[in-house]
Amino acid sequence: DGGITQSPKYLFRKEGQNVTLSCEQNLNHDAMYWYRQDPGQGLRLIYYSQIVNDFQKGDIAEGYSVSREKKESFPLTVTSAQKNPTAFYLCASSIGTSGGTDTQYFGPGTRLTVL
Amino acid sequence: AQKITQTQPGMFVQEKEAVTLDCTYDTSDQSYGLFWYKQPSSGEMIFLIYQGSYDEQNATEGRYSLNFQKARKSANLVISASQLGDSAMYFCATYDYKLSFGAGTTVTVRA
Repeated sequence: DGGITQSPKYLFRKEGQNVTLSCEQNLNHDAMYWYRQDPGQGLRLIYYSQIVNDFQKGDIAEGYSVSREKKESFPLTVTSAQKNPTAFYLCASSIGTSGGTDTQYFGPGTRLTVL
Repeated sequence: AQKITQTQPGMFVQEKEAVTLDCTYDTSDQSYGLFWYKQPSSGEMIFLIYQGSYDEQNATEGRYSLNFQKARKSANLVISASQLGDSAMYFCATYDYKLSFGAGTTVTVRA
């Protein structure tokens, strides 16, 4: 089955620690994205990557870092510089076409809680 | 940046009835895409339907249809014959180089 997997489903972190969220897709999509969702709100874009070894900052990149060494994988690191990291994190991927037709498909999400 | 407005924070609908979820957007682009996603309590975002700004016909996908009024910058989602499993949060989004989401509307289907 093709899809997007995220692990872990729940993650607890102590203040001051870095933590890495995993995102893997086997849809052969070129583009991948990370979003953050706070309770009762919509999604905000953290980082996105349209091709391997290249990525761009989204609207709220401060305190986060990413890498894209493989087409299938786009891990997100939440660093200690992120002031309020407790949130629901969603990874998405898309074919990567331009012109507004690029449907994004989402993974199941990781819920991060800072203790 | 695109701005999406969903004015209905929550709605109740009776099972088997139709419900319309409002979405207005603000863009200066001529070419853009409009998307609706469903987010059940499990958290996963499920793609429902897409409308291109140049599409002349309103998009339909099963029980979902999109009432697209380009001049009014409106893209309302209609869910027909509501089912209990339709209870979820629904997000409208537009795409330029990235998806911009509205705040969402919570739909609760009553038996």
